Formats: sequence, C-alpha cells, structure tokens
Amino acid sequence: NAGVTQTPKFQVLKTGQSMTLQCAQDMNHNSMYWYRQDPGMGLRLIYYSASEGTTDKGEVPNGYNVSRLNKREFSLRLESAAPSQTSVYFCASSDLTGGLDEQFFGPGTRLTVL
Amino acid sequence: RKEVEQDPGPFNVPEGATVAFNCTYSNSASQSFFWYRQDCRKEPKLLMSVYSSGNEDGRFTAQLNRASQYISLLIRDSKLSDSATYLCVVPRPGGFKTIFGAGTRLFVKA
Repeated sequence: NAGVTQTPKFQVLKTGQSMTLQCAQDMNHNSMYWYRQDPGMGLRLIYYSASEGTTDKGEVPNGYNVSRLNKREFSLRLESAAPSQTSVYFCASSDLTGGLDEQFFGPGTRLTVL
Repeated sequence: RKEVEQDPGPFNVPEGATVAFNCTYSNSASQSFFWYRQDCRKEPKLLMSVYSSGNEDGRFTAQLNRASQYISLLIRDSKLSDSATYLCVVPRPGGFKTIFGAGTRLFVKA
C-alpha cells in the first residue's frame, strides 16, 4: 500500500508557465483534496472532490483547476503560474464523506515560481 | 477572529517535561476535532481524534471544552522524537472544508 502519492516532489516554474500536479491514492477513498501550505499559515483548501465525478472550490481556488480523473486520481493544474503560487502543495484523501474523518496526506510538492 | 487559532510557539522543553497546547475555534456547531503532527518538511499525520469530552493515547491526552470552545493537547514525559509541529484541525459542520490551524512548534531538548 503506497497510500497517497504525488508527483513531482519539486518544481521550479517561471511566471506564466503552466503545470499539472498529479495525485493518486490506493486506499479506495471516496474524497480527495488539494491544499497549499505557506509559512505561518495553516493548510488552506484549494479544491476538493467529494466523490468520483464531482469537484468543488475550497477557500483559495483562484488560479487553479482540478480534474478527478477516476476514483484514484485527482490532479491540480496551474494554467499561468504566478509568484504568489509559490508554496508546498499537499494532496489528501479520506474515506467517509463530509471531511469528518482522518485525512491521509501525500508527501507534498514544493513549487517555486520565479 | 480566525476560525481556528493556535499559539505558534515555539515551545522549548527538556526531555521528560509535560507540555500543553491550546487551540480555540469559533464555530460552536463543530462536533469533531483532530490533532495532527507534522515533522519538518513532511506531510501531516493524524495524532488523535476528539469526538466527545476527550481522548487519551499513552502519553498524549486531548481535552475538549465546548463551553469555552477550545481543545487542548497534553504531552507527558516528552521525548526528543516529539519535536514537531502540532496542528489543530476542525472540520466545518456539514461540509468538506476542514480548517487547519497554523500549528504549534515543539522542540524537546536533551
């Protein structure tokens, strides 16, 4: 069981470039989430997917798009990267719906936008 | 007022000490609460869940005070390996938008 995997682990982009962060879980969880973590701030929810086929905005969705490709995979896309998107990005999954359950996190992607 | 607030610390304690962290939350309808642990440059991992008045797991005790809207985490007999950031987590009732506190940093010294 790999749990939650994320690729890439590190990425440096120039302003205006695009990229997709990949996330996959092998725990057969229904719900998946994308967070960003900045120094001095808690994890902030970007987008979530309550179940396969659905996605919804979180607290800070501007500048991002997501795709729930299937039950296992949930990708995050930055269409035109900006320095304000420099952050650590975590993908997570949980079994029960509604977020009232333990979330399992991937190892994170450290993104720098120059 | 932030929805979830934690003292950022850092707390510097010697091995064997007892240390407590508090976390206040603003939504009185919240029913479940979590403490996660995050090591430096790693992902958060669940430490404890708190659904009623409290929970105990070995050296760790979590308490919930609904009247004052705070939860606490008590660590007894601190170990060097307890050095980490402790995140207070409060799911919003009826939705998926879990709120994470900014975390409290703990350093345990030999």
